[in-house]
Amino acid sequence: RKEVEQDPGPFNVPEGATVAFNCTYSNSASQSFFWYRQDCRKEPKLLMSVYSSGNEDGRFTAQLNRASQYISLLIRDSKLSDSATYLCVVTPTDKLIFGTGTRLQVFP
Amino acid sequence: GAVVSQHPSRVICKSGTSVKIECRSLDFQATTMFWYRQFPKQSLMLMATSNEGSKATYEQGVEKDKFLINHASLTLSTLTVTSAHPEDSSFYICSAHGQGDEKLFFGSGTQLSVL
Repeated sequence: RKEVEQDPGPFNVPEGATVAFNCTYSNSASQSFFWYRQDCRKEPKLLMSVYSSGNEDGRFTAQLNRASQYISLLIRDSKLSDSATYLCVVTPTDKLIFGTGTRLQVFP
Repeated sequence: GAVVSQHPSRVICKSGTSVKIECRSLDFQATTMFWYRQFPKQSLMLMATSNEGSKATYEQGVEKDKFLINHASLTLSTLTVTSAHPEDSSFYICSAHGQGDEKLFFGSGTQLSVL
């Protein structure tokens, strides 16, 4: 089983739609969780950290369920510029473990 | 903000040659740098962790004699792909965080194509 698993997508959604991505991780000792965004052949950029209480940043909401070892990212009111690959990242030790990413394509 | 500069951004080389990729931290000292590799449509895979002034720690399955890492100063780490072969063609990215800083800063990546 992979340490971090994501649905690869692609998710094709119209502008304005709400879309949710899920991620599961295998190491229950994982302490920190993040969502990164990666454009094609570019470096990943930190989108947001994920906290147990859940957190929101504008149109983006991240949730963590430690019992189910599950992380989610919700994007509301999708924009064309949201088209990218979203990487779930987990830190079971001092290293970051990346999921394979979920590709999002927002169309007009 | 902190920046990690990675060069070159793209390199095409013949099979059997060696390629060096540089990663510099600008405006901060990077005590630890990470080197990742990403094949098309796959995740970033950690290759090795380099610590300034000591030997790099390689992940399982990564040949240390093929992927030479040098982190001789707090602002520079290099990855040398020795005797590159077509199967080494990949996107290589470095990342760094300074002492006591959880945030990770990425270089812009190097697309290596071995003919």
